[in-house]
Amino acid sequence: DVKVTQSSRYLVKRTGEKVFLECVQDMDHENMFWYRQDPGLGLRLIYFSYDVKMKEKGDIPEGYSVSREKKERFSLILESASTNQTSMYLCASTTQGGDTGELFFGEGSRLTVL
Amino acid sequence: AQSVTQPDIHITVSEGASLELRCNYSYGATPYLFWYVQSPGQGLQLLLKYFSGDTLVQGIKGFEAEFKRSQSSFNLRKPSVHWSDAAEYFCAVAPLWGGYNKLIFGAGTRLAVHP
Repeated sequence: DVKVTQSSRYLVKRTGEKVFLECVQDMDHENMFWYRQDPGLGLRLIYFSYDVKMKEKGDIPEGYSVSREKKERFSLILESASTNQTSMYLCASTTQGGDTGELFFGEGSRLTVL
Repeated sequence: AQSVTQPDIHITVSEGASLELRCNYSYGATPYLFWYVQSPGQGLQLLLKYFSGDTLVQGIKGFEAEFKRSQSSFNLRKPSVHWSDAAEYFCAVAPLWGGYNKLIFGAGTRLAVHP
């Protein structure tokens, strides 16, 4: 089975802190994604990566950056956390060019910024 | 603008009752269509998808969905709901030319199941 692992399920940080959210997938997928999930808004794409060191902005990239140094790992970085970044963050991956249309999701990282 | 609308934020049904979750989309052309489910404390899991062909698609866990081009809808159905179906359900669309980075999710419908 495909496994997408998000290392931190729950985090509490203070305003201004730097936050790292880590995601690892074990299926050699080329594409990886970071989404933000908020009630009533569904999932919104922050960043995605289609290869090592390659990244593209999604719909809401402001205040976030990403890093993909290895194929299996995709990190989301909040350089200076703010209270409006309190949210659930979901990582996902999928294979390149596949027609399945299936994203494989991690269990999520719930971040609270105080 | 491209969008996905799930008109029902919350739905409550009794166990054993039938279920229909609504999804309407606004898109330039017929897109790929998906339903995902998120159980409490879990990530999203694909229930089913429509790419082309038969407009009635079968998915996992006994779910099915019907694509109606004339209504721009892709409603999810299950004939008999189980307590374990309590979860949040997301409809999503993506362009035919691919690009999972273009996947658009609806706001979700939270399903509660009464015993």
